[in-house]
Amino acid sequence: GAVVSQHPSWVICKSGTSVKIECRSLDFQATTMFWYRQFPKQSLMLMATSNEGSKATYEQGVEKDKFLINHASLTLSTLTVTSAHPEDSSFYICSAPDSGVNTGELFFGEGSRLTVL
Amino acid sequence: SQKIEQNSEALNIQEGKTATLTCNYTNYSPAYLQWYRQDPGRGPVFLLLIRENEKEKRKERLKVTFDTTLKQSLFHITASQPADSATYLCAPSPSGGSYIPTFGRGTSLIVHP
Repeated sequence: GAVVSQHPSWVICKSGTSVKIECRSLDFQATTMFWYRQFPKQSLMLMATSNEGSKATYEQGVEKDKFLINHASLTLSTLTVTSAHPEDSSFYICSAPDSGVNTGELFFGEGSRLTVL
Repeated sequence: SQKIEQNSEALNIQEGKTATLTCNYTNYSPAYLQWYRQDPGRGPVFLLLIRENEKEKRKERLKVTFDTTLKQSLFHITASQPADSATYLCAPSPSGGSYIPTFGRGTSLIVHP
């Protein structure tokens, strides 16, 4: 199946700093990628839809100026958490549907654990 | 509002038995429903997709049913193994044509040797 790689797998940063998380589709092109956040024992919450060549679409309640998304190419989307605070500590996961197959099946990255001190 | 319910309590079963996980949804009319497996600290992995016109879908030891009248999907693992221990997420596709699934909280399955 399709492979989505996410980096870094974990990161610790100081409050007020910015952190960038990368999501790459390794063996397919992804015009769309999705970014999720997951708190312990909670469901995956969709944050935003990343669209190659255009602006991301954010879900209600997600601050677009805080969570900057850039879909630079057909295989790379990045999520930057700006001015991170402890409440931003969470597990961030990206995913992408396999190209050309609109069935909703998603391929997920390994996730990135962010801890803000 | 749309709601997905999965048993929040862990399901403990003995190796070799059949595990059955339940997913109920309300205020939804999904065109299809997916099941994913998630291991601790990892991203989910797709397992099965069942469409609204399908009653049952099988893949190796996995079986999924989809009852649109009851608004329920059941996920079965037969001949369970300790390696099946994980959290299983239900994800109905939202109404309105969008193909982005919404995820339930998941049910933790623990298979004891």
